[in-house]
Amino acid sequence: GIQVEQSPPDLILQEGANSTLRCNFSDSVNNLQWFHQNPWGQLINLFYIPSGTKQNGRLSATTVATERYSLLYISSSQTTDSGVYFCAVRNSNSGYALNFGKGTSLLVTP
Amino acid sequence: DTGVSQDPRHKITKRGQNVTFRCDPISEHNRLYWYRQTLGQGPEFLTYFQNEAQLEKSRLLSDRFSAERPKGSFSTLEIQRTEQGDSAMYLCASRPVTEAFFGQGTRLTVV
Repeated sequence: GIQVEQSPPDLILQEGANSTLRCNFSDSVNNLQWFHQNPWGQLINLFYIPSGTKQNGRLSATTVATERYSLLYISSSQTTDSGVYFCAVRNSNSGYALNFGKGTSLLVTP
Repeated sequence: DTGVSQDPRHKITKRGQNVTFRCDPISEHNRLYWYRQTLGQGPEFLTYFQNEAQLEKSRLLSDRFSAERPKGSFSTLEIQRTEQGDSAMYLCASRPVTEAFFGQGTRLTVV
């Protein structure tokens, strides 16, 4: 199946700093989502972005489908941004499953 | 709140017992997933329903696991003869066509 690699695995930031999280995938995709998993385990939708660029407040994402990667930008980070960020992808060759990476664990300190 | 609802939120069971989890998807979503997540890992796909039809099952879904979605509405995931290795968060998601939305999960602890 399609492989998903996320980097970095861990990230510690001071409040107010900016960061970029990366998601590489091994095949073309027709579905890509970014999620934030909060400390209680719930996956919160951030972006549905199989291609192109989107912005939502301090967060933005870009997917370059032809080069098989996606980036999640967090600007002016806040302590509430802490948690694990997951990228999940799907294509017609991988069946119906959304395939997740191992995530990037982000800690924002005051 | 009309998001994906899972019940129970937490379950502690003794090894060898059977457990059943329920998922109520967002009402207009005809596609439903079950995932399992262990500590430090990303969610792993278990099974997929479109309406009431179970269209895909992962090799992770051993014969002790069974999932149903009668009438294409809510879904249940049953684990028979639980083992300690079944301890995990079990996540349900639903989607209309594209974007999937997850419930809060059921955390299972097998003692």
